[in-house]
Formats: sequence, C-alpha cells, structure tokens
Amino acid sequence: GQNIDQPTEMTATEGAIVQINCTYQTSGFNGLFWYQQHAGEAPTFLSYNVLDGLEEKGRFSSFLSRSKGYSYLLLKELQMKDSASYLCAVRLQLPGNTPLVFGKGTRLSVIA
Amino acid sequence: EAQVTQNPRYLITVTGKKLTVTCSQNMNHEYMSWYRQDPGLGLRQIYYSMNVEVTDKGDVPEGYKVSRKEKRNFPLILESPSPNQTSLYFCASSLSLFRSTPDTQYFGPGTRLTVL
Repeated sequence: GQNIDQPTEMTATEGAIVQINCTYQTSGFNGLFWYQQHAGEAPTFLSYNVLDGLEEKGRFSSFLSRSKGYSYLLLKELQMKDSASYLCAVRLQLPGNTPLVFGKGTRLSVIA
Repeated sequence: EAQVTQNPRYLITVTGKKLTVTCSQNMNHEYMSWYRQDPGLGLRQIYYSMNVEVTDKGDVPEGYKVSRKEKRNFPLILESPSPNQTSLYFCASSLSLFRSTPDTQYFGPGTRLTVL
C-alpha cells in the first residue's frame, strides 16, 4: 500500500519560520505536491517537486529527497492567514496505482 | 474565469434516496477526479477519469458511480446513499496526468453531504 506521513498539528508564532515534514513510502513516484487548505474550503496548489532539491516561491519553499522518501514545506515570515491545513500528495506512476495519493494533512495554527 | 463548479454545495438526504452531485470544468481538462474528505482520514480518491468514456476506481469506490460522457462534466452518483457516505466531497480537474510539468489540480468548492 501507499503510505504518506505528516504531523497532525503544528503551532508557530507570527513572523517565525515553520517546517512541515512529509515522508512517503509508495510504489512508484512521479512527483510530490503541496497544497494549502483553509477550513471548509478547497485545497489550493502551493508547490511541486519531481527532482531532488529546493523549490522556492516567495515565502514558501519545498524540498525533496527522493532517496530518503522525504519532503518538507518551509513557510517564512508567518502570517495569521497561513493558519490552514497543508497537504502533501504523491503522484504515482501508472498503470496500476491511484494517480494521486494524499497524506492526512498538517493543521498549522499561527499565533500572535 | 477558469473554474471547477460543483452542485449542490450542501445536501441533506436520507438513506437509500439516489442522488447525483454534478461537477463541471471550463478549462478543457482531460483528467477529472472525485475525492472525499473525512476528519482524520484526509483526502481519498473515489474515482478518476483520464478522458471521455475512460473512468477508473480510486481507493474508496464502493457505493459510488461516475460517468464521463462529455469532457467538461464528471457527475458522482450515489445509487443508495448510506450514513457512512456523509462527507465533504471535492471534484478536481487537471490538463493531463501525462505531462512532465507540474500539472496542477484545480479543485471545486466542495459538496457537504449528510445522509441520515
């Protein structure tokens, strides 16, 4: 089966930096996505990694190590509006697999 | 405006009463999928479709049906809903699964279904 692990909850202070980790054990790998989801809303795309290394996009960065089955999402200069769930999702190779498998998400609370 | 629409947004129904949740996208996307989201379980894929007339089961297909007669529409059908299908449902679409570039999935706003 496919296994994607993320911490369930994290709390961080406004203005700080937080790192949300994701480890995966999947049969085949074809890229890793990070999504942000505010309560009661649809997920929205944040980042995508398919090669090892760091992808930076403004205050958000995502890192991937395929050999370790590991990714993290780094959020800098945290703002209150960053309070949300962050979903790690692995795109699997076809055929024979569900195309995209999500972790259970990490609920981030940003406090003043 | 590029978007994925779902209807209804909220539905309360009773066990056994057939229902359909519609999903439509205006981006000419090939790939569409349905997810359900439950507390503590995350997003789980129900069905997906690579293109017109091509559908496949996801991780939790039991109790659901889908059809893809047109590219833009991908309805989710619950023939005989049961209380364990009470959930938040999301439809999503993307251009294709086979592109090498990051193929972002666009999600609909969600349908909150309660089955009594």
